[in-house]
Amino acid sequence: EAGVTQSPTHLIKTRGQQATLRCSPISGHTSVYWYQQALGLGLQFLLWYDEGEERNRGNFPPRFSGRQFPNYSSELNVNALELEDSALYLCASSDKGQGPQETQYFGPGTRLLVL
Amino acid sequence: GQNIDQPTEMTATEGAIVQINCTYQTSGFNGLFWYQQHAGEAPTFLSYNVLDGLEEKGRFSSFLSRSKGYSYLLLKELQMKDSASYLCAVRYVGNMLTFGGGTRLMVKP
Repeated sequence: EAGVTQSPTHLIKTRGQQATLRCSPISGHTSVYWYQQALGLGLQFLLWYDEGEERNRGNFPPRFSGRQFPNYSSELNVNALELEDSALYLCASSDKGQGPQETQYFGPGTRLLVL
Repeated sequence: GQNIDQPTEMTATEGAIVQINCTYQTSGFNGLFWYQQHAGEAPTFLSYNVLDGLEEKGRFSSFLSRSKGYSYLLLKELQMKDSASYLCAVRYVGNMLTFGGGTRLMVKP
């Protein structure tokens, strides 16, 4: 069974530009989560999508947005890029049918560098 | 806030046992996860605890005390490949996972 996939693996942008990151969840998973991991720091929760709806968002400015498509894949958009947006962006998916043991499985991440 | 505290770094010797502790705020607790993350890679799921006690999976075990807001990950028979960051994550009511900063474990020969 294929795991969570993300594209691109690396992305280089300049300040003020926009970045689009993509994620495909494990087949059968309807929930997708986005996290930011700056170098040497912990995972910071960005966004949660389930069944096409945004369910929750972390403490990030509105220029971080996204969406989930009918096939449950997801996009993360970051507008007006700033230098401090440079980080590893991780996507995770989960199966809500697991109940209390619902586990998030992570993709390999997109490393975004803002120059 | 919902702080998750774990040591920043630990060092241990190949073949030894190491215990990585994690403390968290108990209000709204709904499960605790441990993940392993090698440098530059994605976190991989290790264990899940929701009831008090010890869960054993091969060389790795995880313990939970809900009343104390405390968990630990125990790694036995350490191997060089166990050098990685270990992330403690707590699920709170509302389904959100809150991650600790991670413990970077260095295994030395």
